[in-house]
Amino acid sequence: EVQLVESGGGFVQPGGSLRLSCAASGFTFSSYWMYWVRQAPGKGLEWVANIKQDGSETYYVDSLKGRFTISRDNTKNSLFLQLNSLRAEDTAVYYCARDVGRIYNYGALDYWGQGTLVTVSS
Amino acid sequence: DIVMTQSPDSLAVSLGERATINCKSSQSVLYDSIAKNYLVWYQQKPGQPPKPLIFWASTRGSGVPDRFSGSGSETHFTLTITSLQAEDVAVYYCQQHYSSPYTFGQGTKLEIK
Repeated sequence: EVQLVESGGGFVQPGGSLRLSCAASGFTFSSYWMYWVRQAPGKGLEWVANIKQDGSETYYVDSLKGRFTISRDNTKNSLFLQLNSLRAEDTAVYYCARDVGRIYNYGALDYWGQGTLVTVSS
Repeated sequence: DIVMTQSPDSLAVSLGERATINCKSSQSVLYDSIAKNYLVWYQQKPGQPPKPLIFWASTRGSGVPDRFSGSGSETHFTLTITSLQAEDVAVYYCQQHYSSPYTFGQGTKLEIK
């Protein structure tokens, strides 16, 4: 059974940092592109970043470039998102998700974790 | 960026009746060379992550009941739920994965009338 379990969310002051983690199991993690998607409270979904199987390619939504960094450790079946210079508008549930395609990056997401809440407030 | 616009924003349908949700993209999401529309429909229930329902605009995901169907091509798409069940109450999102940034519609909240 495919499982994605996020952790690392919490309460942080503006300008602070957090590192989110996603533990993957039940599939060959190293074969898939992986994603972070976020959802502000009561709002819609926003793609944040994605990363190739070997970590050699990463992509970000333009508005977040330079503040967030996606990475992965295939030896530990883990995905990460480093959040820096956090702002109130970054408050959201952050989901880890898997691309539907094995090998190819299709951009459609077939498995999602339960999410981890990041709250940025003074 | 491709803008995805859903209509309506909310919808109330009686149990057993049909629900129809529309999604329009600001440019075509059809890859002509492989004749596939890069469009997904997701269902999100309160407190849960999104669940994919329909891939490639019209292919039901694994385990998705056949009362859910997707149609459309290029820029106009429809999610139809025939014979609405109580467990279908949720917010539904369309998403294009034709080009980065992969963008979502604003969501359509489906309720029971």
